[in-house]
Amino acid sequence: EADIYQTPRYLVIGTGKKITLECSQTMGHDKMYWYQQDPGMELHLIHYSYGVNSTEKGDLSSESTVSRIRTEHFPLTLESARPSHTSQYLCASSEGEGAGYGYTFGSGTRLTVV
Amino acid sequence: GQSLEQPSEVTAVEGAIVQINCTYQTSGFYGLSWYQQHDGGAPTFLSYNALDGLEETGRFSSFLSRSDSYGYLLLQELQMKDSASYFCAVVGPGGKLIFGQGTELSVKP
Repeated sequence: EADIYQTPRYLVIGTGKKITLECSQTMGHDKMYWYQQDPGMELHLIHYSYGVNSTEKGDLSSESTVSRIRTEHFPLTLESARPSHTSQYLCASSEGEGAGYGYTFGSGTRLTVV
Repeated sequence: GQSLEQPSEVTAVEGAIVQINCTYQTSGFYGLSWYQQHDGGAPTFLSYNALDGLEETGRFSSFLSRSDSYGYLLLQELQMKDSASYFCAVVGPGGKLIFGQGTELSVKP
């Protein structure tokens, strides 16, 4: 079944640690996105990619970085986690121009930095 | 800049009809999408309007007026499982989505 997978689902980590949030999709979509969402709030675009070796920063400034070496894989890395990074991170992908078909979202990673 | 406004919460009873409005101010507008999110889980795509008018998909319909920078999501025959957060999202250049703050819908028996 075509889908988008995020791991881990939950992560509690100490300040200063390096972390990588994984996102993989099996649909062959060129476009992938990372959104950050605090509880009860809107989703903010922090990174996007239109294909392999293409990455751009989104509208919300983030200290995280991303890479896109393979079409199906779009990991997000925090070099040094801080309590302000505590949030939910949602990965999504879309096909073609995307909008008419909608985004497919993963279940998210809920990150807590202590 | 870009901004979207939608009500923060709406309450309705089972079997009723509810309308969730969305107004937007944006540059580079390509269309308006709606997403449903249960308990902070994966948002799911409901609808997309690129042109003015009404799009119907089962119990859900979505409307867009580009001249008024306004759209709405209409949910009919409400069911308990429709209790969720609903987000309108402007589709910008490159298909990027900019989300509103979300409307929490509570369906009561």
